[in-house]
Amino acid sequence: DAGVIQSPRHEVTEMGQEVTLRCKPISGHDYLFWYRQTMMRGLELLIYFNNNVPIDDSGMPEDRFSAKMPNASFSTLKIQPSEPRDSAVYFCASAPTVTYEQYFGPGTRLTVT
Amino acid sequence: AQSVTQLDSHVSVSEGTPVLLRCNYSSSYSPSLFWYVQHPNKGLQLLLKYTSAATLVKGINGFEAEFKKSETSFHLTKPSAHMSDAAEYFCVVSVLMDSSYKLIFGSGTRLLVRP
Repeated sequence: DAGVIQSPRHEVTEMGQEVTLRCKPISGHDYLFWYRQTMMRGLELLIYFNNNVPIDDSGMPEDRFSAKMPNASFSTLKIQPSEPRDSAVYFCASAPTVTYEQYFGPGTRLTVT
Repeated sequence: AQSVTQLDSHVSVSEGTPVLLRCNYSSSYSPSLFWYVQHPNKGLQLLLKYTSAATLVKGINGFEAEFKKSETSFHLTKPSAHMSDAAEYFCVVSVLMDSSYKLIFGSGTRLLVRP
């Protein structure tokens, strides 16, 4: 298996633009997680899905952020409109169960100017 | 309240000497505990996990951790540091709350290994 795949690896955009981050989890994993990592706030869990259903989105910072999982092999995290404070590395991870090891993707480095 | 505290933001050791990264947790429930490592510009990788089996857990690359319920600690150790161990380490607690799992990350400990 290729592991968790994220795209793009780097994204530079201007404030106010829509940004879409993509994730393909490992086949057979029922859980998918989105994280954000910054120097100031460390690693934060934004949302996680179980069998394509959002279970806990309490970490989503505000309404500008939305996440979907239309099927077991694809998820998106969208920011609309983007702001400079959204600049961070966004990680996607998947796991067979929520208490098992999570497999992280390489991350998407987002820069909003 | 559930929380994870990594007691040191930075730890510096010489190559070949022991490593100790400290983690304390607060949980009203029986937690699952993990240590993850993050090398520069990489995603996180699991080192080891505790899920209520043996209290001494062995992981990859010679790391191990001991779950001490009485001390609410899950410290990470390695007998002899290698230059390749230089990275950031995260202690993580998975706790079931209100029918959903909460993943709580420590703030991280950056391990520096001197030649």
